[in-house]
Amino acid sequence: KNEVEQSPQNLTAQEGEFITINCSYSVGISALHWLQQHPGGGIVSLFMLSSGKKKHGRLIATINIQEKHSSLHITASHPRDSAVYICAYRRGNEKLTFGTGTRLTIIP
Amino acid sequence: NAGVTQTPKFQVLKTGQSMTLQCAQDMNHEYMSWYRQDPGMGLRLIHYSVGAGITDQGEVPNGYNVSRSTTEDFPLRLLSAAPSQTSVYFCASSYGPGGYGYTFGSGTRLTVV
Repeated sequence: KNEVEQSPQNLTAQEGEFITINCSYSVGISALHWLQQHPGGGIVSLFMLSSGKKKHGRLIATINIQEKHSSLHITASHPRDSAVYICAYRRGNEKLTFGTGTRLTIIP
Repeated sequence: NAGVTQTPKFQVLKTGQSMTLQCAQDMNHEYMSWYRQDPGMGLRLIHYSVGAGITDQGEVPNGYNVSRSTTEDFPLRLLSAAPSQTSVYFCASSYGPGGYGYTFGSGTRLTVV
């Protein structure tokens, strides 16, 4: 069982829809990362957060440390948002532990 | 452009062959790492380095060697390729192990036949 659970595993939505991807973990953490992996394979770091909320353009990441849960939201989704979204946590100065990702497909 | 340069992008090896995956970064990051990505599994850490001359094993180190002679370069060597090493490999660098400034290379798709 993966220490990081992401849901859903796959998500297909129409262009313009509001998207939510969830990440749950079972241990106390220092920080959580959200990454984006495009169909070409490259991985880009989107957010690193340890509390509250961060926003970058149409992307919003939230975290509830007490509930051990984080969400990634995409507003006004666009086909170019189609990618695999990966969450990963860090405990102290340990290395990152990664989830298996959520594959998002946005249909025009 | 600043970032992590990883080569090659694709490679096919025969069982038993050896090869080196190259990784270089120009951001003066102390921390560099190698991951493999397999279907249905999260990225798994192979080896990492916290600075020049210092390397350590990750979760899945068997069959791989690394060295860190300079801050910029962190090559991954497959000693004797096996089909189980068929995977996509990513090099990454950051300011520290926790991931601040985490930057990934473009990946190497390796097939061992």
